[in-house]
Amino acid sequence: DAGITQSPRYKITETGRQVTLMCHQTWSHSYMFWYRQDLGHGLRLIYYSAAADITDKGEVPDGYVVSRSKTENFPLTLESATRSQTSVYFCASKGREGTEAFFGQGTRLTVV
Amino acid sequence: AQSVTQPDIHITVSEGASLELRCNYSYGATPYLFWYVQSPGQGLQLLLKYFSGDTLVQGIKGFEAEFKRSQSSFNLRKPSVHWSDAAEYFCAVGTRQGNLIFGKGTKLSVKP
Repeated sequence: DAGITQSPRYKITETGRQVTLMCHQTWSHSYMFWYRQDLGHGLRLIYYSAAADITDKGEVPDGYVVSRSKTENFPLTLESATRSQTSVYFCASKGREGTEAFFGQGTRLTVV
Repeated sequence: AQSVTQPDIHITVSEGASLELRCNYSYGATPYLFWYVQSPGQGLQLLLKYFSGDTLVQGIKGFEAEFKRSQSSFNLRKPSVHWSDAAEYFCAVGTRQGNLIFGKGTKLSVKP
C-alpha cells in the first residue's frame, strides 16, 4: 500500500534497553522527519533527513540516533532508553522544498 | 529564531457557531504555512497550506485560513463548526532547510 507506515504502533521497553522505531514511505520522498509529541509541548523535531545518507539534528536530538541508507526508510534508535523518552513518536515525509508533509500513525513508546 | 505560537491551548465552541484559531509565526523569509488536524489516537492530516499568491486559502472540511504578513499571522477559520471537528489543530511553518516547525496546538471541543 502506498503511504507512510510506522512500526510498531505500541512498544513498552525497560530503562537502559535499546529500541528502534521503524518508518517506511513508498513515495520516494526526499525528506523524512521524526517528531515526538508530548502534552504541553506539541510536536518537537528530533531529527530530519533531506536525502539518503544526509541527516540533521532537530530541536531535541539527545539520546536518539538515526540513519538513512535507503530513501524509503528512516529508523529512529534510542540507544539506552530513559523514562523521559516515553512519548508518542511520529514519522513524516515530504517531497521537494515547500510541499506538505505526510504523517504516519505514530508509535506510542512507554519506557518503564 | 523560527517559531510558531498558538496562543489558545483549549477552545470550546457550540455546534453551528463560527470558529477562529490563532497562529503567529516568527520567520525571516516568506514562509510556507500549514494547518494540520489530529483526531485522538491518529496521525496528522493536512487541512490547508499557504505557499504564495492569494492570502486567503481554502482547505478541506470547509476550513479556510488567511495569511497576514503585517501581523505574522495565519489564522484558521470555519463559519459553522460540526461536532466532528472536535480535535487538536496544529499550525506549522516550513523552513528553507526543509523541516517543519509546529506550534503547541489548540484543542477544540464542540458543545452540542
